Amino acid sequence: QSALTQPPSASGSPGQSVTISCTGTSSDVGGYNYVSWYQQHPGKAPKLMIYEVSKRPSGVPDRFSGSKSGNTASLTVSGLQAEDEADYYCSSYAGSNNFHVVFGGGTKLTVL
Amino acid sequence: EVQVLESGGGLVQPGGSLRLSCAASGFTFSDYAMSWVRQAPGKGLEWVSGISTSGGNTYYADSVKGRFTISRDNSKNTLYLQMNSLRAEDTAIYYCAKGFFRVIDYWGQGTLVTVSS
Repeated sequence: QSALTQPPSASGSPGQSVTISCTGTSSDVGGYNYVSWYQQHPGKAPKLMIYEVSKRPSGVPDRFSGSKSGNTASLTVSGLQAEDEADYYCSSYAGSNNFHVVFGGGTKLTVL
Repeated sequence: EVQVLESGGGLVQPGGSLRLSCAASGFTFSDYAMSWVRQAPGKGLEWVSGISTSGGNTYYADSVKGRFTISRDNSKNTLYLQMNSLRAEDTAIYYCAKGFFRVIDYWGQGTLVTVSS
């Protein structure tokens, strides 16, 4: 299984919006609506921010939103805050006969 | 409150074995598929294995297939990962996680496995 493709870094100033992309194939991102996004601060466990492409778990600010077009999913963080600085990973279900999960390589988001 | 707590990590020689455990609480364990996900030092996340609610169906990443075995004991609310024929490239923090292919929604704090002579 090949990893999903994310940009290694992204940045924005406080209050701005930033979008992180996650590109896969028709066998994963493009084929199913099981795309999730995770936030990971240094030394901490990942935290679910978005699931099923665009759904937000309880407690996640509505500044975080997700979308998908074709084989590319996106995470948008609006109204950037200092605490949003972290690594972000996308993941997707990857196979109908072979239940697998594939992750992106991660994007380091820096709040300038 | 959902909690998953891993244990069993440590230092092991190449070719050795290790068994990880994950104690779950705060949710009906038997109602949820579970996963193991690892993260090598300074690297990204890698899905390792998933298991169905009953334990009757198990799935593995190609990198560990044939060497790792996932299992669960629903009477003890515990998930396991038996790791055999360990290699240096298996060195990572291993996370126990609630959920599987639809969504992984809660993660433990992880347990470090180091494979080195």
